[in-house]
Amino acid sequence: QVQLVQSGAEVKKPGASVKVSCKASGYTFTSYGISWVRQAPGQGLEWMGWISAYNGNTNYAQKLQGRVTMTTDTSTSTAYMELRSLRSDDTAVYYCARDSGVVVAGGLIDYWGQGTLVTVSS
Amino acid sequence: AIRMTQSPSSFSASTGDRVTITCRASQGISSYLAWYQQKPGKAPKLLIYAASTLQSGVPSRFSGSGSGTDFTLTISCLQSEDFATYYCQQYYSYPPAFGQGTKLEIK
Repeated sequence: QVQLVQSGAEVKKPGASVKVSCKASGYTFTSYGISWVRQAPGQGLEWMGWISAYNGNTNYAQKLQGRVTMTTDTSTSTAYMELRSLRSDDTAVYYCARDSGVVVAGGLIDYWGQGTLVTVSS
Repeated sequence: AIRMTQSPSSFSASTGDRVTITCRASQGISSYLAWYQQKPGKAPKLLIYAASTLQSGVPSRFSGSGSGTDFTLTISCLQSEDFATYYCQQYYSYPPAFGQGTKLEIK
């Protein structure tokens, strides 16, 4: 069965960086993309960006351009999302999700990781 | 960017009720629409894709319809486990966008 298992909760200070991992299993990793979606406390879902596990192409949400980097390690079927220059409004649960977009962003998101809470506080 | 607007934002219903949630896109998205269910503290779960196709394992009391700009999610006979927040999402064009969510509460 498809599983996406994310790394554990993080607490960071403003200005720091965080890197969240997402290990995939149960499917051919390079046949899909990975989207990252975040959810601030009590708020809705915000799409952050996408990476192709096939060729490493990325597309990021405009508001996060310059602060976010998404990568994959195909040898371990793991995706990573790094967010830099953290602010208090980056406090959220961060989800990775399997995306049917293989070479272009914007495919169907079907399976989700369990989420990683990132708290930004001084 | 395409904007997705759901209505209502929240409402109360009773088990056994038939409920409908509406999602409107700011421009045509053909049938590239998905519906997700999210329970507190859990990740979203895909219910419906391509506007009307039920994801494997999802009960048949869930159904979706629509194309272009107007879409609906219908739950034919509410069960206790259906009280949750529901999101629509377009995947027609980049960037993908979610509706603001509809919270379904027990009356």
